[in-house]
Amino acid sequence: DVKVTQSSRYLVKRTGEKVFLECVQDMDHENMFWYRQDPGLGLRLIYFSYDVKMKEKGDIPEGYSVSREKKERFSLILESASTNQTSMYLCASTTIGQGVREQYFGPGTRLTVT
Amino acid sequence: AQSVTQLDSQVPVFEEAPVELRCNYSSSVSVYLFWYVQYPNQGLQLLLKYLSGSTLVKGINGFEAEFNKSQTSFHLRKPSVHISDTAEYFCAVSEGLGGGKLIFGQGTELSVKP
Repeated sequence: DVKVTQSSRYLVKRTGEKVFLECVQDMDHENMFWYRQDPGLGLRLIYFSYDVKMKEKGDIPEGYSVSREKKERFSLILESASTNQTSMYLCASTTIGQGVREQYFGPGTRLTVT
Repeated sequence: AQSVTQLDSQVPVFEEAPVELRCNYSSSVSVYLFWYVQYPNQGLQLLLKYLSGSTLVKGINGFEAEFNKSQTSFHLRKPSVHISDTAEYFCAVSEGLGGGKLIFGQGTELSVKP
């Protein structure tokens, strides 16, 4: 079975802290994504990666960075957390072989910044 | 640029009644369409997808959707809902190129009442 795991389900951090959100997939997928989900706004793409050490900005990259040192792991970094980054963060992965494929999602990390 | 509009933010319905969740998209090229479901405190799970072929697509849990190119719509339907269908539903579109990126709608909360 396909599996995407995220390091924490719930996280509480203080303003100004550096925050790491980790995502691991076991499907040997090439592409990985980070989204944030806010009520009424759906999912918005923060960053995605199509290979190790490769990354591309999504629609809302400001205040975030990412790291992909190994194919199975994709990390989202909040350099200096702010209260407006309180949100649900979802990681996803997909393979690009043989055309378009659906994305597989992790359970999400609900981050609260106080 | 692509966009996805889910026309209803909330849909309340009684158990065993039929339901339709509406989704419209804008794109000038061929598209690939998806419906995802998110149960409370979980990640997103694929319900169904349209990649090509028959415009009527059947998915899990008795859901189906119809791709209508002329109306740029991909509405989700179920003839008889259950309490367990209470969840948030997301419509998404991919243009196929661009590494499997998806554009999501704002989401529709389906609330099934006894």
